[in-house]
Formats: sequence, structure tokens, C-alpha cells
Amino acid sequence: EAGVTQFPSHSVIEKGQTVTLRCDPISGHDNLYWYRRVMGKEIKFLLHFVKESKQDESGMPNNRFLAERTGGTYSTLKVQPAELEDSGVYFCASSPLGDGAIEQYFGPGTRLTVT
Amino acid sequence: RKEVEQDPGPFNVPEGATVAFNCTYSNSASQSFFWYRQDCRKEPKLLMSVYSSGNEDGRFTAQLNRASQYISLLIRDSKLSDSATYLCVVNKITGGGNKLTFGTGTQLKVEL
Repeated sequence: EAGVTQFPSHSVIEKGQTVTLRCDPISGHDNLYWYRRVMGKEIKFLLHFVKESKQDESGMPNNRFLAERTGGTYSTLKVQPAELEDSGVYFCASSPLGDGAIEQYFGPGTRLTVT
Repeated sequence: RKEVEQDPGPFNVPEGATVAFNCTYSNSASQSFFWYRQDCRKEPKLLMSVYSSGNEDGRFTAQLNRASQYISLLIRDSKLSDSATYLCVVNKITGGGNKLTFGTGTQLKVEL
């Protein structure tokens, strides 16, 4: 079974440009999460989709970040315009719906560098 | 104050040694607890869940103390392949899913 995939694996853009990251969760996983790790810091939660609905977007840093999950399958995270502090590794994770603590499966991440 | 605090290390230990990592969390509403392992430039992967009764998986033992808000991981007979960053993670269950809060990780280097 294919795991969580993310595209691109690396992206280098200039400040002010736009970047769109994509995440394909494990097939059948209704929960989809975005996390981010900036240099020297811990991995931090950005937001959580249940199917196509945003369940919790409390971790989104500001309105330059827009996440979508049309159709409840893959998700995109767009940063527009990018700033230097947006550099980091963006992880996507997915899990099935359920009660209790359900393991989240992480993708390999997208390493974003804003110059 | 960070929600999840870990000693960043690195812990440099010889092969075969026993090593222990500790972690504290500040949110008493946290519901579930985990150790994740992250290899260099890779994604985090679940190592084990942590229960108050303590749980063991081969050479790995995890323990939770809810009263002290403290989580531990013990690795016995460490192997070179155990070299990685170990992430202490706590969880709050919300709306059919889980919101994970990570520590910064403790780096382990197992040497010959």
C-alpha cells in the first residue's frame, strides 16, 4: 500500500513568490494534517482536515497560507507571498477516522527554502 | 514555556549501552502520548505509544506518569541502527482526529 506522498520534495523560491505544496494521503484516510518544522524548532501543527472540511486551522501562521482539500482526497498548501521565515520542512500526515488516539502516517516532507 | 520539553542531547553511547530519555509536558488535558523516531532528513515514524501502566516493545520501554506529566523512554542493548532523533509527542483528540504536539527531539548517537 502506498504511503503518504508529497510534492515537491524540495522547493527554492524568492521572497514574494508563490509556492504550492501538494499532499496525497493514504487512500481511505479521511484525516489529513499539515505540520511544519522551521530550523531549530519543533514540528508544529498547522491544520487538520476531515475529508474536505477544515476541522482545526489554529496553527496556520497567517493569511499568507491557504490550505485546500477539494473532494476530500489530496490537499494543497499555498504560501503567497512567501517570506524568509516560511523556510522549513512541511510535513503532511494522514490517518483514518476513529475514536481515541489513531496513528498518523507522515509523508517525507517538502523542504522549502525562501531566499 | 514549550508544551513538550526534551533534552536535545546529543546522547553519545557505545553499542550495547542502556540509555534513557525523559520528557515533560505542560498541558494536563493531553490525552495520549507517543515516542516517534526521526532519522536524518526523513519523516517522523511512530516508535511506540505510551501508557500509564508502562509498555515494552523488545528493547524499548516507555512509561507515563500523569501526576508528574512526565514521559520516559528506555532503550536497552542499543544498536548502531538506533541512532536517530527521538521525538516526545502528546496528543489531544479533536473532532475525529488528533492534534499532535511535538518536543524538539533528543538526538541519540550509538557508536562502536
